[in-house]
Amino acid sequence: KAGVTQTPRYLIKTRGQQVTLSCSPISGHRSVSWYQQTPGQGLQFLFEYFSETQRNKGNFPGRFSGRQFSNSRSEMNVSTLELGDSALYLCASSLFPQNNYGYTFGSGTRLTVV
Amino acid sequence: GIQVEQSPPDLILQEGANSTLRCNFSDSVNNLQWFHQNPWGQLINLFYIPSGTKQNGRLSATTVATERYSLLYISSSQTTDSGVYFCAVERPTSASKIIFGSGTRLSIRP
Repeated sequence: KAGVTQTPRYLIKTRGQQVTLSCSPISGHRSVSWYQQTPGQGLQFLFEYFSETQRNKGNFPGRFSGRQFSNSRSEMNVSTLELGDSALYLCASSLFPQNNYGYTFGSGTRLTVV
Repeated sequence: GIQVEQSPPDLILQEGANSTLRCNFSDSVNNLQWFHQNPWGQLINLFYIPSGTKQNGRLSATTVATERYSLLYISSSQTTDSGVYFCAVERPTSASKIIFGSGTRLSIRP
């Protein structure tokens, strides 16, 4: 079965712009979570969605937002981009939150803000 | 919050050597996974192992939940094993937030 698909793979944006990243989970998985990876902070949780509802949000400013659609696909949006938003953004999918099968990650979107 | 510590932070080995990576966590967890991050950034799931021992080829993992640690063993290392290995845990009351360790960077020299 297809894995977790993230698009685009690479993105270059200018400070002040906004960006939307997409994540399609494994077929049948209903939970999607997002993570930011930077050299300085490591892997940090952004937010998690299940059944189109945000269940939890990490410690990120309001410029970071997301949503989930009825087909479980998720998007995250970052507005008013800053240089520090340059990072690898990873999406993880699972059957349910707090499941007993673990999480599967996509290949990520590498965002560069210039 | 829970702390997840991985050791060693860096490991350089010759091809064919064996290695042990350690993950300590400061509180009880209900999920623990080991991941290998490849050079392109993707996190590859190695083991889902909240307790017990599992083996998959040259890799095996053991989690002793009561003592709050997990070990990842890599035998007969190959250059393709190079990369960063992450331990990630999930707490029963964390609303599905995964917490990652800082990783072990493994370099296998030919």
